Amino acid sequence: GAGVSQTPSNKVTEKGKYVELRCDPISGHTALYWYRQSLGQGPEFLIYFQGTGAADDSGLPNDRFFAVRPEGSVSTLKIQRTERGDSAVYLCASSFDGLAGETQYFGPGTRLLVL
Amino acid sequence: AQSVTQLGSHVSVSEGALVLLRCNYSSSVPPYLFWYVQYPNQGLQLLLKYTTGATLVKGINGFEAEFKKSETSFHLTKPSAHMSDAAEYFCAVTLYSSASKIIFGSGTRLSIRP
Repeated sequence: GAGVSQTPSNKVTEKGKYVELRCDPISGHTALYWYRQSLGQGPEFLIYFQGTGAADDSGLPNDRFFAVRPEGSVSTLKIQRTERGDSAVYLCASSFDGLAGETQYFGPGTRLLVL
Repeated sequence: AQSVTQLGSHVSVSEGALVLLRCNYSSSVPPYLFWYVQYPNQGLQLLLKYTTGATLVKGINGFEAEFKKSETSFHLTKPSAHMSDAAEYFCAVTLYSSASKIIFGSGTRLSIRP
């Protein structure tokens, strides 16, 4: 079966522009997560969806970041007024139920570069 | 607050030698512990995890890790390194009460010398 997919794989944008990053989770997984991985660091939690709702968005760095999952499947991470510091690899993961200790399956990531 | 410390950002071993990657966690309650591996230009892949039960956990590719509560450690080992083990390894922790968040360490890059 297909794993988690993310598009685009690479995105180059200019400072101040708006970007959207897409995540397609494993079919049937109700939980979806976004992480951000800066160079030389481990992934950092951003937001968690259970179904269509954001169950925990405590990792979003500021109000320029927003994510949606309108039908409980595909999710889009939206970044407004991008800044150079937003450059990172954005990772999406999904799990079956979102229960503690459950394996999260990661996509290959979207590498975002803000010039 | 929970956190994860990986000792050594880069570890180099000879092919066939023991691999030991160190991980210590900080948590006020028993955590769930994970090791993920990231090969170049690939996504994170789960190696193994500890939730409950046996403290020695066996994973894929011959790796294993032991949860030692008294030492707050979850070190990753493999008896004999293979060239294909070269990758970035991340130790991670989550709490039963905070299912959404996995807290990752900063990673250890493993290099294998021929």
